[in-house]
Amino acid sequence: DAKTTQPNSMESNEEEPVHLPCNHSTISGTDYIHWYRQLPSQGPEYVIHGLTSNVNNRMASLAIAEDRKSSTLILHRATLRDAAVYYCILRDARYNNNDMRFGAGTRLTVKP
Amino acid sequence: DGGITQSPKYLFRKEGQNVTLSCEQNLNHDAMYWYRQDPGQGLRLIYYSQIVNDFQKGDIAEGYSVSREKKESFPLTVTSAQKNPTAFYLCASSVTGGDEKLFFGSGTQLSVL
Repeated sequence: DAKTTQPNSMESNEEEPVHLPCNHSTISGTDYIHWYRQLPSQGPEYVIHGLTSNVNNRMASLAIAEDRKSSTLILHRATLRDAAVYYCILRDARYNNNDMRFGAGTRLTVKP
Repeated sequence: DGGITQSPKYLFRKEGQNVTLSCEQNLNHDAMYWYRQDPGQGLRLIYYSQIVNDFQKGDIAEGYSVSREKKESFPLTVTSAQKNPTAFYLCASSVTGGDEKLFFGSGTQLSVL
């Protein structure tokens, strides 16, 4: 069973902010929240991850709800190159629990 | 350069034939993964390995087999028992632990002749 729930698709205008939501109501205390994105015909690439606090890097920001049951990936100014499928997944910190299961993700369309 | 390499990029299988997809990494990662992706769909986990000589089934392991004889290599065999093998196959690796990110290869497109 998928541990995360995301909308199937979203649209954004170029140079506007994008907020991609993810629900993970059954998250455990040892789960990190990871985001990856996949461009057509390529392997996914890492975007950002976090545990409890909000995180920023050069690609995006990750806002994590206080109860950790949801999170939001924020692209501050969408470009055409940000059009991709975005996956939100949970990764358990415990050594013996390393299965990494992806859901269907959110397909982001960026309009010029 | 460090990275994860999948080969071949394109592969064709005849009916009843076994084919093997290669995945090699020089990142010194303990964990390696195989995923299958059908057109317009997300990634589904086939097998994963956390350490040499050990691997676990994912959600869709039937018709596939793997080995992990070396840390840097995790080949996937698509057997004749896999009746619908046409898909995009992705290999990934990582250090074990929740704070570690996955690195993906560029994928192998397998088609049936």
